[in-house]
Amino acid sequence: DGGITQSPKYLFRKEGQNVTLSCEQNLNHDAMYWYRQDPGQGLRLIYYSQIVNDFQKGDIAEGYSVSREKKESFPLTVTSAQKNPTAFYLCASSIPDRVYEQYFGPGTRLTVT
Amino acid sequence: GQQVMQIPQYQHVQEGEDFTTYCNSSTTLSNIQWYKQRPGGHPVFLIQLVKSGEVKKQKRLTFQFGEAKKNSSLHITATQTTDVGTYFCAGPFNSGYSTLTFGKGTMLLVSP
Repeated sequence: DGGITQSPKYLFRKEGQNVTLSCEQNLNHDAMYWYRQDPGQGLRLIYYSQIVNDFQKGDIAEGYSVSREKKESFPLTVTSAQKNPTAFYLCASSIPDRVYEQYFGPGTRLTVT
Repeated sequence: GQQVMQIPQYQHVQEGEDFTTYCNSSTTLSNIQWYKQRPGGHPVFLIQLVKSGEVKKQKRLTFQFGEAKKNSSLHITATQTTDVGTYFCAGPFNSGYSTLTFGKGTMLLVSP
């Protein structure tokens, strides 16, 4: 089955630690995205990548970093500089002709204490 | 600031009642998308609207794009418990590469 996988589903970290969230897709999509969702809120764009080895900051990139070394993978690192890292993180992908039709992974719920 | 507003934030209906959520943009949009997120799940793409005044239907769901392309609505006829979830509208507000800005969503609860 084609799709997007995110792991782990739940992640717990201590404050001050960096943590990397995994996102893998086998849909052969060029574009990939990272969103953050807080309770009662919509999705906010953190980073996005149109092609391999290229990515751009979204609306709330501070305290986050990404890489896009392979088409299939777009990991997100939540650094210790992110002031409120506890959130639900969603990865998505799309094809160039339909950038607004995004396919989402199941998400990772990160809790930092 | 928030560029797309959704109302209501929350609605609780009895099964069989109709439901409508509204999405209002501060700017004219080239298109608008609707997504549904079930409780504990991830957003799933429902539909894209592109043309002024466009109306699209998916079974009991009716989507409309306003004539001025600044508002949109999603209407569900005769809700079912399977309609439970949060409905988001999303539009492209950023120039350059097209990315989506999501509204805060309308959470729908349906009681049997």
